[in-house]
Amino acid sequence: QSALTQPPSVSGSPGQSVTISCTGTSSDVGSYNRVSWYQQPPGTAPKLMIYEVTYRPSGVPDRFSGSKSGNTASLTISGLQAEDEADYYCSSYTSSSSYVFGTGTKVTVL
Amino acid sequence: QIQLQESGPGLVNPSGTLSLTCTVYSDSITSGHWWSWVRQPPGKGLEWIAEIYLGGNTNYNPSLKSRVSISLDMSKNQLSLKLSSVTAADTAVYYCARHSVDWGYAFDIWGRGTMVAVSS
Repeated sequence: QSALTQPPSVSGSPGQSVTISCTGTSSDVGSYNRVSWYQQPPGTAPKLMIYEVTYRPSGVPDRFSGSKSGNTASLTISGLQAEDEADYYCSSYTSSSSYVFGTGTKVTVL
Repeated sequence: QIQLQESGPGLVNPSGTLSLTCTVYSDSITSGHWWSWVRQPPGKGLEWIAEIYLGGNTNYNPSLKSRVSISLDMSKNQLSLKLSSVTAADTAVYYCARHSVDWGYAFDIWGRGTMVAVSS
């Protein structure tokens, strides 16, 4: 199975908004709402930020939001803060009863 | 507070078998969650390896399926991973993770990861 496609990097100034895309196929993102997003600062384990496309676990700031259209899911960080600088990965359930992660996006706060 | 802790040898010989264990604290592996292994080669992205549920239900990454085995040890509250015929490409940080039944089966709890290098 092929990794979901994400842009290698995005950047923004504090207070701005950035959006990360996650493009899959009709066998994964396009067919299932089990799309989730993870934040991974350097040297640490991933942390769940969004589940089922749009939902935030308790404790995740509301400046993080998710959406999906067709085969592409997106994560938007509004009001960017220095602490948001990290790698971000999307994940989707697939028609093979497996999971696939995205290629990862490095978010830089300028 | 639920914690997962991976353990195993940090170095494995090429063509050998990688064996890892994940101990679950403050939760039971029989609590109704699925449990997974995920790996991350140095400087690269995440790759899902396999998942298991109480009763032995399993699913595997199609690209690794022929070399992977995942199991549960209920007496020790642990899950295990075995990856055979390893090469340098299997060098990675290996994480165990819990799927949340409340949060769409997303990976809500992760271990800190254990680094495994494949080298002679």
